[in-house]
This record gives sequence, C-alpha cells and structure tokens, in this order.
Amino acid sequence: KAGVTQTPRYLIKTRGQQVTLSCSPISGHRSVSWYQQTPGQGLQFLFEYFSETQRNKGNFPGRFSGRQFSNSRSEMNVSTLELGDSALYLCASSLPGTGSYNEQFFGPGTRLTVL
Amino acid sequence: QQQVKQSPQSLIVQKGGISIINCAYENTAFDYFPWYQQFPGKGPALLIAIRPDVSEKKEGRFTISFNKSAKQFSLHIMDSQPGDSATYFCAASMGYQFYFGTGTSLTVIP
Repeated sequence: KAGVTQTPRYLIKTRGQQVTLSCSPISGHRSVSWYQQTPGQGLQFLFEYFSETQRNKGNFPGRFSGRQFSNSRSEMNVSTLELGDSALYLCASSLPGTGSYNEQFFGPGTRLTVL
Repeated sequence: QQQVKQSPQSLIVQKGGISIINCAYENTAFDYFPWYQQFPGKGPALLIAIRPDVSEKKEGRFTISFNKSAKQFSLHIMDSQPGDSATYFCAASMGYQFYFGTGTSLTVIP
C-alpha cells in the first residue's frame, strides 16, 4: 500500500507570495492532519480534516488555511508569506475513528523556504 | 504554550548503552502517548505508544515508562545502535488532536 505523498517536496517563495501544498493520504484513510515543523519548536498542529470538514484547528493565523476533497486528498494554503513561515510542512493521515488511538502516518513533508 | 515538554534536546550515547528521553504533560485529558522516530529527509514514524492505564510497554529494545501521577513518560532504548541515531518526538493526544514535544536528537557513537 502506498504511503502518504506530499507535493512538491521542495519550494522556494518570496515574501508576500502565496503557496499551496498538496497531500494524498493512504488509500482508505479519511483523516488528514497538517503540521509545521521547525527546529526547536517540534511539530506544531495546524489543522485536521475528516470527510471534507475541518474538525480542529491549531493556533496559527488566518493566513494558513486548508481544505479536503471528496477523495480525501488535502491541500493547505499559506497567503502573504513571511520569512518565519520557512519550515517543513508535514501531512499525516489516519483511519477514520473518533478516538485518539488511531496511528498517524506521516508523509515526507514539503520543505518551504521563504526568501 | 507547549503542551508536552521534552528533554534533553540532544543526546549522545555509546553503542550498547541506554538512551533515555523524558517527556512531561499537564493536561490529564490526554489518553494516548506515542513516540515517533524521524530520520533526515523523512517524516516521523510511529515507534511505540502507550495508554495511561498501563505503566510500562516494551517492544524489542524500546520501552515506554509511564507515570500517571507525575504526568511524565519516558522512552528507553536499550543496547543503543548507530542505526538508532535519529530525532525522537514524544506526543500526547486527546480525540484527534496530537501535541508533540520539541524533539530529541540522538546520536549513537560506534
């Protein structure tokens, strides 16, 4: 079974631009979560989608948004990029469920550099 | 506010030694505590996980010790190997939201 895929793997943008990152979950997984990973901060939760609905959102500004499509693929968008948005953006998928015991499977991430 | 605090930030261990990474949390509503291992250029991968009704869980060379009253849990890697060199993250979750520690970079010296 194919793992979680993220595209693109690397991205270089300049301040003020916007960017869209894509995530394809493991087949059959309907929950997709996004995280921002930076040195010293670890993984910071951005948002989680299940069946095209955002169920939870982390403490990030409104410049960060996301969506999920009917095939469970997800995109996240960052508008008006700032230098501090440079990070590794990770997507994780899991099987549907209401509990927290569902293992999250992570993709390799998209490395975003803002110049 | 960091929901899960992890220490140390980095750790160097000799081959065959024991690696110990500690995490602490505040929210007693957390009900699942996984550890993830991440190699450079890869996403984190689940290593081992524990629920709060268990005090210890062992899988091969990896053991989680859980102290519910102290709200602390730790990862022990026995007989550490150079291949274990990676970044380790603890996490805690309730529902479908996960909170991660800041990571520990482990280097195992041959």
